[in-house]
Amino acid sequence: SQQGEEDPQALSIQEGENATMNCSYKTSINNLQWYRQNSGRGLVHLILIRSNEREKHSGRLRVTLDTSKKSSSLLITASRAADTASYFCATAANTYSGAGSYQLTFGKGTKLSVIP
Amino acid sequence: DAGVIQSPRHEVTEMGQEVTLRCKPISGHDYLFWYRQTMMRGLELLIYFNNNVPIDDSGMPEDRFSAKMPNASFSTLKIQPSEPRDSAVYFCASSLVPRDSRTTNEKLFFGSGTQLSVL
Repeated sequence: SQQGEEDPQALSIQEGENATMNCSYKTSINNLQWYRQNSGRGLVHLILIRSNEREKHSGRLRVTLDTSKKSSSLLITASRAADTASYFCATAANTYSGAGSYQLTFGKGTKLSVIP
Repeated sequence: DAGVIQSPRHEVTEMGQEVTLRCKPISGHDYLFWYRQTMMRGLELLIYFNNNVPIDDSGMPEDRFSAKMPNASFSTLKIQPSEPRDSAVYFCASSLVPRDSRTTNEKLFFGSGTQLSVL
């Protein structure tokens, strides 16, 4: 089955710097989503980009999608200590597997540390 | 909206005991998911429901695991008997799928999880 794989596994930057995380996947997708997880908490949805979109913005977040390379990137600009968290990409398959089927697959995440 | 509510937040039990985890999805959501998260395996989907009906339980590791959704506002995940290797964080998530969508690939709303420790 397809799976988003984040790169790098861990990233440490200084406050104010930009953070870039990448996600690669294997097969055709309907959409790709990014989630954030603070330590000891559940995942929180950040942004969804559909297969016919190339770039999307939300506040300090910028997501790009390159379907020809089967990859996506999440850019956090002007990072803050509060951005310290794990970031996951989730890919939604583009195949129909039956009524009610679930098709989101999560990667193992990038652990981001923003040093004040 | 209160979001997805899970209880308990922490559970410590001894091997062989029964464990029941509880979840209240967001009102109006028609999909409910149970996930398990560990350092080694990451986030694993255990089972999911659509309109209270289990759709796919292929992720349930063993017969010791069972899940129910008796109504649209409540679900349980039970482990009986529990084993130390079941120690993990268990998440419940819910989703609302558009009427014109045949599959669920929209965003999920997660609860805060239950940290389970089996000694």
